[in-house]
Amino acid sequence: DAGVTQSPTHLIKTRGQQVTLRCSPKSGHDTVSWYQQALGQGPQFIFQYYEEEERQRGNFPDRFSGHQFPNYSSELNVNALLLGDSALYLCASSLGTTGLFNVLTFGAGSRLTVL
Amino acid sequence: DQQVKQNSPSLSVQEGRISILNCDYTNSMFDYFLWYKKYPAEGPTFLISISSIKDKNEDGRFTVFLNKSAKHLSLHIVPSQPGDSAVYFCAAERGSTLGRLYFGRGTQLTVWP
Repeated sequence: DAGVTQSPTHLIKTRGQQVTLRCSPKSGHDTVSWYQQALGQGPQFIFQYYEEEERQRGNFPDRFSGHQFPNYSSELNVNALLLGDSALYLCASSLGTTGLFNVLTFGAGSRLTVL
Repeated sequence: DQQVKQNSPSLSVQEGRISILNCDYTNSMFDYFLWYKKYPAEGPTFLISISSIKDKNEDGRFTVFLNKSAKHLSLHIVPSQPGDSAVYFCAAERGSTLGRLYFGRGTQLTVWP
């Protein structure tokens, strides 16, 4: 049973460029959340997608956008990259239909370096 | 605005002894508290959780204690094993915004033989 898979594992971009990160949720999960983990920090919530809609959003600028597909997979897009966007981007999936507390399952992350 | 704080960046414990990891929070509206463990090159994995209506939850070698009046929780690992060496993140969430976790900065636990 595959857990959460993310691609690419590592990538390097230059300032001003755009990047797309991809995530496939754990089998049976329908909700995807994205987190940014800067060096030495804990993960910070970016946004959450459920039923192909953004359901919650953290304190991130509009340069960060996302999408969820009918098969529940998701993409995170970041435009006009800044040096400060260098971080580990984590995708987490869960079952959102119950409305009850349930545990997030995280992927291994995509390491983005902006030069 | 750090709503969840882990003030000890590292902890070193001998194998067989107790490890105690601490976490403080500022938001009294949190309903659930969780601990995640992270090994290098892997994503965080869920360890144990506690609801705000409880003060203790136990799962094998792991016990989480919650002191709501002090806005403090702790994770006890007894006995500690070398395989427990990892970064431990404390996290919290509100029932109204499930899936939006607020994480601390993590504590690197090293268990030596």
